Amino acid sequence: EAQVTQNPRYLITVTGKKLTVTCSQNMNHEYMSWYRQDPGLGLRQIYYSMNVEVTDKGDVPEGYKVSRKEKRNFPLILESPSPNQTSLYFCASSLGYTGLNTEAFFGQGTRLTVV
Amino acid sequence: AQSVTQLGSHVSVSEGALVLLRCNYSSSVPPYLFWYVQYPNQGLQLLLKYTSAATLVKGINGFEAEFKKSETSFHLTKPSAHMSDAAEYFCAVISSGGYNKLIFGAGTRLAVHP
Repeated sequence: EAQVTQNPRYLITVTGKKLTVTCSQNMNHEYMSWYRQDPGLGLRQIYYSMNVEVTDKGDVPEGYKVSRKEKRNFPLILESPSPNQTSLYFCASSLGYTGLNTEAFFGQGTRLTVV
Repeated sequence: AQSVTQLGSHVSVSEGALVLLRCNYSSSVPPYLFWYVQYPNQGLQLLLKYTSAATLVKGINGFEAEFKKSETSFHLTKPSAHMSDAAEYFCAVISSGGYNKLIFGAGTRLAVHP
């Protein structure tokens, strides 16, 4: 089954404790991205990757890191989480990044709470 | 810069009634437009997309949307609401000239009453 898998689904952590949210897709998609969803703001892009070893900042990258060492994986890293990073996070992938290849497939989401 | 405005953060309809969720966009180039649905505790699922092939787009679960360039709108409709349609709906735009960054509206939560 074609899917985007995120782990964990729920995470409660303390301020400053490094964490990683994993994302994996099995569709051989070139493009992957991370979004955060906050009430009243919709989803905002954190980082994106157009291919292996090619990543760039989205609209709200502060406090986050990513890597793309393999095509299927795109982990999101919070080196020193803070309470304002409490949010619902989604990983997404698409076949490409222009034209008709832009349909995005989303993971189930990771609800992160930083206390 | 592109943006998306969804009018009404909450919409409530009776089962069997018309569903109308409003979306207006701004874009300096012909846009690609999307509607996504998010059921509780789930990720986003694509309902339908406009990619300039036809102005009236049909999607899954009986939903459709009409692209109106003169009004910069892409409203989502369904003739008869079902209880299972209760969810949050997001309109999104992407520039046909740029990389794949989806710009989302704030979302509209649809409640369906018996």
